[in-house]
Parts: sequence; structure tokens; C-alpha cells
Amino acid sequence: DAGVIQSPRHEVTEMGQEVTLRCKPISGHNSLFWYRQTMMRGLELLIYFNNNVPIDDSGMPEDRFSAKMPNASFSTLKIQPSEPRDSAVYFCASGKADSSYNEQFFGPGTRLTVL
Amino acid sequence: AQSVTQPDIHITVSEGASLELRCNYSYGATPYLFWYVQSPGQGLQLLLKYFSGDTLVQGIKGFEAEFKRSQSSFNLRKPSVHWSDAAEYFCAVVPGSYIPTFGRGTSLIVHP
Repeated sequence: DAGVIQSPRHEVTEMGQEVTLRCKPISGHNSLFWYRQTMMRGLELLIYFNNNVPIDDSGMPEDRFSAKMPNASFSTLKIQPSEPRDSAVYFCASGKADSSYNEQFFGPGTRLTVL
Repeated sequence: AQSVTQPDIHITVSEGASLELRCNYSYGATPYLFWYVQSPGQGLQLLLKYFSGDTLVQGIKGFEAEFKRSQSSFNLRKPSVHWSDAAEYFCAVVPGSYIPTFGRGTSLIVHP
């Protein structure tokens, strides 16, 4: 199994540009999470999908952030327009929400730098 | 809402010494409890998990954790630390809603 795949691994962009982060969950998993990790705030849950449907997006910081999951094998997190304070490592994780537990498998992350 | 507290931001131990990382949670029922490890530049990897049954659970890399309901704790232990254990460790609580809450993490520094 390839695990959770995220792309790109590193992204450097200028303030005001659109940024799209991509995630391919593990096949057979039906829950997907987007996290943001910074030194100041630690690991923050941004949004949670179950069966491709957004269940909880209360962690999305503002309207500049949006996430989609058009099918069970792909999700995107978009920031438009990007700002320097969005610089962070963004993780995608997947799991099986209908199992007796919800162990999450994390991708390697995308390190975003907004100049 | 549930919460997780990892009171130690940094822990420094000598190689070969024992280790205990603390985790306290707040939740109305018995949650699912996890410990994850994050090496520099990597994603989080599951070390061990507790759902029910035996309160002492064994994980990978020689780690174990003990669930203590009376103390709302799930502390992580290792009898002898190796230099490769230097990493960030996260405790997580997952209630029935499947939305997890992570602690702020504890950074483990291992001296030779």
C-alpha cells in the first residue's frame, strides 16, 4: 500500500497567489482530514470528510480556504488568495470512520511558504 | 467537547534512560486514545492505541502506554530510550464522533 499521498511536498509562492494542495487517501478509507501544523498553534484540524461529504469545517480559518473531495480517491485544499500567515505544513490523513476506532494514517505533508 | 493536555513541551533524557511522556484528557466517556510520533520532516506515525480491555497497551518501537480512568491519563513509557527516539510525540483523543483532538505535542531530546 502506498499510504496517503500528498503533493506537492514543498510549495513556495507569493502573497496573493492561489495555492492548491492535493491528497490521495488510502484505498478503502472513507474518512479524510486536513490539518495545519505551525510552531505557534500546533496541529489544527481544518476539515473532516466522511464518504466524500464535508462533516465539520469549523477549523477552516476563513473564506480564503476551501476544500473539496470530488471522489473517494482525491481531495484538494485551496487557499485563494494566499497570505504569509498561511505558511505552515499541511497534512492530509485518512481512516475508516465506520470501524470500531478511527486510526488515522497521515501523509508526509506539504510545506507551504508564502512570501 | 473533549480536550487533551500534554504538560511537558520538552523532555530531555540520556540514551538508555527510561522515559515517561504525560497525557491527560477530558471527555465524558471512555474515548479512543492514541499516541503518534513525528520525526523531523515527516508525517505522524501511530505508536499505539487504546480502545478497551487491558489498560496497558504495547506499541511499536518498544513503547507502551497505560490508561488510567481515575486519572484521565494515558501516559507513554519506554524502559530504555534510543537516540533514534528523538522526535515529537502527540497524544490524541477520538470520541464517537470520529473527530480527533490532538495535544500540543512533547518534543523528546535524547543526549548520548
